[in-house]
Amino acid sequence: ETGVTQSPTHLIKTRGQQVTLRCSSQSGHNTVSWYQQALGQGPQFIFQYYREEENGRGNFPPRFSGLQFPNYSSELNVNALELDDSALYLCASSSGQLSDTQYFGPGTRLTVL
Amino acid sequence: RKEVEQDPGPFNVPEGATVAFNCTYSNSASQSFFWYRQDCRKEPKLLMSVYSSGNEDGRFTAQLNRASQYISLLIRDSKLSDSATYLCVALNAGGTSYGKLTFGQGTILTVHP
Repeated sequence: ETGVTQSPTHLIKTRGQQVTLRCSSQSGHNTVSWYQQALGQGPQFIFQYYREEENGRGNFPPRFSGLQFPNYSSELNVNALELDDSALYLCASSSGQLSDTQYFGPGTRLTVL
Repeated sequence: RKEVEQDPGPFNVPEGATVAFNCTYSNSASQSFFWYRQDCRKEPKLLMSVYSSGNEDGRFTAQLNRASQYISLLIRDSKLSDSATYLCVALNAGGTSYGKLTFGQGTILTVHP
């Protein structure tokens, strides 16, 4: 196992609601990246946090936001949920912002009705 | 055009068969390349890194051709347990301060008895 944990495992929300997903990084890792994986697609990069700062962002609207805490765990927040936000949300931890080895957590499966 | 494109498959092969997956990437600044394996409803797991010199890990051989921007994965003597989705991945960090994994859409492999 990678030592990366995510909660909750599954979540059902309705359109317009807000959601917070959580990720605990592997011990010794200071970087967390978040990815969205829609059904039948590969994961897409949302953003990366390094030492509590957003360090890079993919093509996602501002209603996707995040935080990283002093212990390097991280949250992904999504406001004004849309049906298309239904996906598997994956976090990956690494030992640096440019590290090529990212370890994935088991993911949170979000369903928006 | 997607940054990383894969043979869509699906591939259905008998046990013992040899199967090859192909992938192309469009960002010539991509630094590192990988093959990930993803089982149904699970997180992606690193299968192997890909080098220009080619690398082999047991029944798996990966190859990178930077001139053609082409990546391949060969699986010999397929096992039932090889059934999964195989994701071609590029690490893009050129000109940025963060490492973003860019995934292909994945190729589904089913190995049957």
